[in-house]
Amino acid sequence: GENVEQHPSTLSVQEGDSAVIKCTYSDSASNYFPWYKQELGKGPQLIIDIRSNVGEKKDQRIAVTLNKTAKHFSLHITETQPEDSAVYFCAARLMDSNYQLIWGAGTKLIIKP
Amino acid sequence: EADIYQTPRYLVIGTGKKITLECSQTMGHDKMYWYQQDPGMELHLIHYSYGVNSTEKGDLSSESTVSRIRTEHFPLTLESARPSHTSQYLCASSGTGGSGNTIYFGEGSWLTVV
Repeated sequence: GENVEQHPSTLSVQEGDSAVIKCTYSDSASNYFPWYKQELGKGPQLIIDIRSNVGEKKDQRIAVTLNKTAKHFSLHITETQPEDSAVYFCAARLMDSNYQLIWGAGTKLIIKP
Repeated sequence: EADIYQTPRYLVIGTGKKITLECSQTMGHDKMYWYQQDPGMELHLIHYSYGVNSTEKGDLSSESTVSRIRTEHFPLTLESARPSHTSQYLCASSGTGGSGNTIYFGEGSWLTVV
């Protein structure tokens, strides 16, 4: 079955700098890779996703890149702000299927003022 | 914004008590899920449902049970709570087709068993 590894578990960056979180997956059949953000006291919320037919997707300060050959994908946050502080989860699955999302273990992102 | 609601948000109960965590969604989603999560830690799927009268156990073994009698409602019950059940429980739902890839989470129910 699918397995998703996420690194680092904690990331501390200076406000205004960039942050990068990386995930690797094991099942080459997976073709859908979402990223969720969980703020303190709330449930996770989808912030961006990518499908295997594209290599990169951007949404303002957030971008996700996918390397299908190496089976890894990354979340990039530029010009970090205090409100970016949260736990971020990556996940993988076969898109439009009844298969469950397989989650990474999460990364706690701390933005230092 | 997701229309998925969990009650209670916070609950402290004694060992041996029976509790039910309520979850409702107004999006008409067929799929619903319960995750267990310690603060800031991994998400563990404990139950899921693909529709009315359909329930399955997730990857993490749990002593809780669920039911799905109505599409919008997916309650989780612990017959006899123990301190090891202390955790956050997150309810979620997703639709079908292309939009079904997005999972919408409730804000969670924090359970403390003393």
